[in-house]
Amino acid sequence: DTEVTQTPKHLVMGMTNKKSLKCEQHMGHRAMYWYKQKAKKPPELMFVYSYEKLSINESVPSRFSPECPNSSLLNLHLHALQPEDSALYLCASSLRPGGYGYTFGSGTRLTVV
Amino acid sequence: QQPVQSPQAVILREGEDAVINCSSSKALYSVHWYRQKHGEAPVFLMILLKGGEQKGHEKISASFNEKKQQSSLYLTASQLSYSGTYFCGTEIRGNYGGSQGNLIFGKGTKLSVKP
Repeated sequence: DTEVTQTPKHLVMGMTNKKSLKCEQHMGHRAMYWYKQKAKKPPELMFVYSYEKLSINESVPSRFSPECPNSSLLNLHLHALQPEDSALYLCASSLRPGGYGYTFGSGTRLTVV
Repeated sequence: QQPVQSPQAVILREGEDAVINCSSSKALYSVHWYRQKHGEAPVFLMILLKGGEQKGHEKISASFNEKKQQSSLYLTASQLSYSGTYFCGTEIRGNYGGSQGNLIFGKGTKLSVKP
């Protein structure tokens, strides 16, 4: 298995809703990442998990809450989002943190209404 | 600490060559190159870890000048399938020589290959 699987592919949520994004990989990768990408912009790093521990939080608002239940799974919990949070959310993984290429999932297209 | 990419956009005819540059103001641990087609996820092309390193991937290759904190991506004899946005990503070298662990992307170079 050489894929990173993200679900759902599309999500529309209201500003008072709570939802979660899911990311899964079975490549034995021990580093996992969340990126946010707006149209015509580069992916912007949000969180880094290294050996299931949160190692980097790029000053992301608390309405985004990451979770790494095990080495194969990464979640992003969403609560009280704003319309400007609408974007493509990409999950990625690498064999180890630092010095390895990233495999990206196909992303979740999030729309906040 | 976002790397600077140039040019912003390139239009080529099939068979022509292109060079995309990436530079950083910080000491680098590695440089990554990715291609993203419209509506798809970024796809890893290659990573360069050592100064002077050159890597190849079919007709796409890259070099890394660690001293100048620069990398270049070379696309030769371009094909229609090369169209997309190319991103360089950089890992900054930490105090103890390893990676700081965060891959930051440049703004991207949009490559269009015409028949």
